[in-house]
Amino acid sequence: DAMVIQNPRYQVTQFGKPVTLSCSQTLNHNVMYWYQQKSSQAPKLLFHYYDKDFNNEADTPDNFQSRRPNTSFCFLDIRSPGLGDAAMYLCATSTWDRQRMGETQYFGPGTRLLVL
Amino acid sequence: KNQVEQSPQSLIILEGKNCTLQCNYTVSPFSNLRWYKQDTGRGPVSLTIMTFSENTKSNGRYTATLDADTKQSSLHITASQLSDSASYICVVSANYGGATNKLIFGTGTLLAVQP
Repeated sequence: DAMVIQNPRYQVTQFGKPVTLSCSQTLNHNVMYWYQQKSSQAPKLLFHYYDKDFNNEADTPDNFQSRRPNTSFCFLDIRSPGLGDAAMYLCATSTWDRQRMGETQYFGPGTRLLVL
Repeated sequence: KNQVEQSPQSLIILEGKNCTLQCNYTVSPFSNLRWYKQDTGRGPVSLTIMTFSENTKSNGRYTATLDADTKQSSLHITASQLSDSASYICVVSANYGGATNKLIFGTGTLLAVQP
C-alpha cells in the first residue's frame, strides 16, 4: 500500500562518485519534490516538478540534478557527492486539494545517503 | 521573512502523561498549517492540517489548535505512549497563487517518551 516509494533506503557512495536516488508514486500526483534533510534540521527544498515543468530553488547547488521521465518516477542525481551532501533525501508528492484550497503533500520514507 | 519557530526544542515526558508543543509563525500569504510526525530515519507523516478558518483539529490522541490572529498553533498529545517518541514538525504553507504552495518548515520538537 506504499504510496511514495524511495529506493534505496540507504545508499553509500564514495566522494566524487555519481549517485542516483529514485522515487516513485502510485498516487498519480502531478507535483513531485525533492528535499534534503540534515541531522536535526528541517527539510530543505531542492527542486520540484509540476508535471514536466522543472522548478529549481535558487540556492540548490549545481551538483544536484533531477529527472522526471513520467508521472510516476522522479530521480535525484548527485554528480559529484561531497562529504557535506551526506543527508536524508526525502521525496514528496502533492495534489491540489480543492476543498482546502491548498496542497496535500505526501512524503516517502527517505533515502539516507552516506558519502565516504 | 517567512519563518516557523517551534518550542521546546526537545522534551522528555513519562509514558501516560500529556504534553503540548508550540509553533509560532510569520508566513504570508497563509494557506494552511500542518503538524507532521517524523520517526527517526523515516519520512514525515501528516497528523493534522488546518486552514485559516479552522481552530482545532483532532486525530486520535493528537489535537492541534490554530489561532490565526496571533499566528500560533499548538499540538497536544494525550496519554503519551512510547511510540510517540519522534520529532514533531510544524509546517506552514504559503500560497502565492497557482497550484503549488511553498512549505516553510519548523525545526521540530524532539519528543522522548520514557517508561
